Amino acid sequence: DAGVIQSPRHEVTEMGQEVTLRCKPISGHDYLFWYRQTMMRGLELLIYFNNNVPIDDSGMPEDRFSAKMPNASFSTLKIQPSEPRDSAVYFCASSLRPRGYNEQFFGPGTRLTVL
Amino acid sequence: KNEVEQSPQNLTAQEGEFITINCSYSVGISALHWLQQHPGGGIVSLFMLSSGKKKHGRLIATINIQEKHSSLHITASHPRDSAVYICAVNPLPDGLTFGKGTHLIIQP
Repeated sequence: DAGVIQSPRHEVTEMGQEVTLRCKPISGHDYLFWYRQTMMRGLELLIYFNNNVPIDDSGMPEDRFSAKMPNASFSTLKIQPSEPRDSAVYFCASSLRPRGYNEQFFGPGTRLTVL
Repeated sequence: KNEVEQSPQNLTAQEGEFITINCSYSVGISALHWLQQHPGGGIVSLFMLSSGKKKHGRLIATINIQEKHSSLHITASHPRDSAVYICAVNPLPDGLTFGKGTHLIIQP
């Protein structure tokens, strides 16, 4: 398997623009996680899905952020409108069983810069 | 106060030295994870622990549930071990919480 795939790897946009980050989990994994990493706050869980259903979105910063998982092989994280403070590396990860019971496999991340 | 504290924040050592990174947490957990992040940014899961000790090559991870403490050890350290090591826990009932990471540099 190719592992968790994320696109784009780098995104530079201007404040106010819509940003869409994409993730393809490892085939057969039924849990998918979106994380954000900044220098100030480190790694933070934003939202996770089980069998395409959002389970916990309490980490999503505000209404400008939304995530979807229309099928088992694809998820998106959308920011609209984007702001400079959204600049971070966004990681997607997947696992076969719930966190705490199996390891998570991380994608390479998307480095987002909002000017 | 962060729920997950790591120490040291930064560590520079010579090749061959025995390395210890510590992680303390303040909440009940179902498991503790050690992750490695290389300068290129990729994150790899090293260990997941709920009790005792695990070993993989030169890496050893231990956890003491009663004391809410875990350690990651690297024996015979090598420059390629240079990375950020991140401790993460699964607090009950839910949510994955990360430490700020330990920046490790192994000099040849």
